[in-house]
Amino acid sequence: GAGVSQSPRYKVAKRGQDVALRCDPISGHVSLFWYQQALGQGPEFLTYFQNEAQLDKSGLPSDRFFAERPEGSVSTLKIQRTQQEDSAVYLCASSLAFGGPVFYEQYFGPGTRLTVT
Amino acid sequence: GENVEQHPSTLSVQEGDSAVIKCTYSDSASNYFPWYKQELGKRPQLIIDIRSNVGEKKDQRIAVTLNKTAKHFSLHITETQPEDSAVYFCAAASGNTGKLIFGQGTTLQVKP
Repeated sequence: GAGVSQSPRYKVAKRGQDVALRCDPISGHVSLFWYQQALGQGPEFLTYFQNEAQLDKSGLPSDRFFAERPEGSVSTLKIQRTQQEDSAVYLCASSLAFGGPVFYEQYFGPGTRLTVT
Repeated sequence: GENVEQHPSTLSVQEGDSAVIKCTYSDSASNYFPWYKQELGKRPQLIIDIRSNVGEKKDQRIAVTLNKTAKHFSLHITETQPEDSAVYFCAAASGNTGKLIFGQGTTLQVKP
């Protein structure tokens, strides 16, 4: 079946612009995660959704970052007033699980490479 | 919070040799440990995972071992092939959300 998709794949923004990054998870996956991957580093957790509820946003670096998943499927990560340090690949992952002691595999999308000039 | 350390940062082996990558974690409550392979410009791909009630898991040329007491886990690749060349990330998950905390990555180069 179709995997996780993300759009756009590449985004160039001028410093100060707002951007919106989209994630389409695997159909039926309850959990959705956003990660930020800087060049040469491992992904870092940003935020987590269980259906439409944002249960953990502890990884969002500032109040310029905002995420939503209003209908429990597609999610959007919005960055306001972009800064150069926001340049990174933003990865979305989805999994079947909705918490508890059993973990299900997370499947990643191809990412959106954001470059802030 | 959870912290995951991974080493080595780079590893170069000859085709056919074995490769071992090691990770340690800090949160004793962590109970799920996946490994991802990421080729340049591509998405991380899950290659194997292990849960805390298991000490070892194998899938063809890949195996993962877990030592809960010492809080470390390792990836073993046998009979390496050039197509195994990539960056490998370990991760640990805990709590009710399953968010992953990743290691820093290991760049594996398999020379023909």
